[in-house]
Amino acid sequence: AQSVTQLGSHVSVSEGALVLLRCNYSSSVPPYLFWYVQYPNQGLQLLLKYTSAATLVKGINGFEAEFKKSETSFHLTKPSAHMSDAAEYFCAVSGGGTASKLTFGTGTRLQVTL
Amino acid sequence: KAGVTQTPRYLIKTRGQQVTLSCSPISGHRSVSWYQQTPGQGLQFLFEYFSETQRNKGNFPGRFSGRQFSNSRSEMNVSTLELGDSALYLCASQQNPPSTGGMNTEAFFGQGTRLTVV
Repeated sequence: AQSVTQLGSHVSVSEGALVLLRCNYSSSVPPYLFWYVQYPNQGLQLLLKYTSAATLVKGINGFEAEFKKSETSFHLTKPSAHMSDAAEYFCAVSGGGTASKLTFGTGTRLQVTL
Repeated sequence: KAGVTQTPRYLIKTRGQQVTLSCSPISGHRSVSWYQQTPGQGLQFLFEYFSETQRNKGNFPGRFSGRQFSNSRSEMNVSTLELGDSALYLCASQQNPPSTGGMNTEAFFGQGTRLTVV
């Protein structure tokens, strides 16, 4: 069984500040990990993915995440927040192998203030 | 390349009715998965279809069903609607998912269908 825990349902940062959204996973097989962003009344857009290649993964819009097996973590970061980053962010895990389904965390709503 | 298209975007139904939602995957993608998103339960996997066959199924009652056509378009059906079925239903397509022995794991999502049951 796989699961994802996102610490903090709401995160507020000032524009220009570091963004750090936390994700810890549990998986009995080598995981594939993903970060998705959702804007109001929209679907999910893939930010980045980890599929057992490089542990530091760069995504779109200046986001990156580092896979740390020892800490079972896949935290999302962005050096400088922009107002347009305000959205809900979801971490997800899939089991690789023959399992395609994604198991999502509960989401973190990012607020960016002036 | 067009993205994943879900129709309709919004639906209002009455308890006890049934509803059919449609999803057209990205051209060339043969896998379609469905997810339910609610404020209380978050994002939950419903089922996955590949080559007209259901490959995986989530933990939902039999009122939730789906199918896939030869052109990879998929429909999901919910019968005997309950108030708790009100949700955003998201469809995702993949080109060559692990469930079929492939390695492409990137899922592309549609904008969803917002179902309201009254």
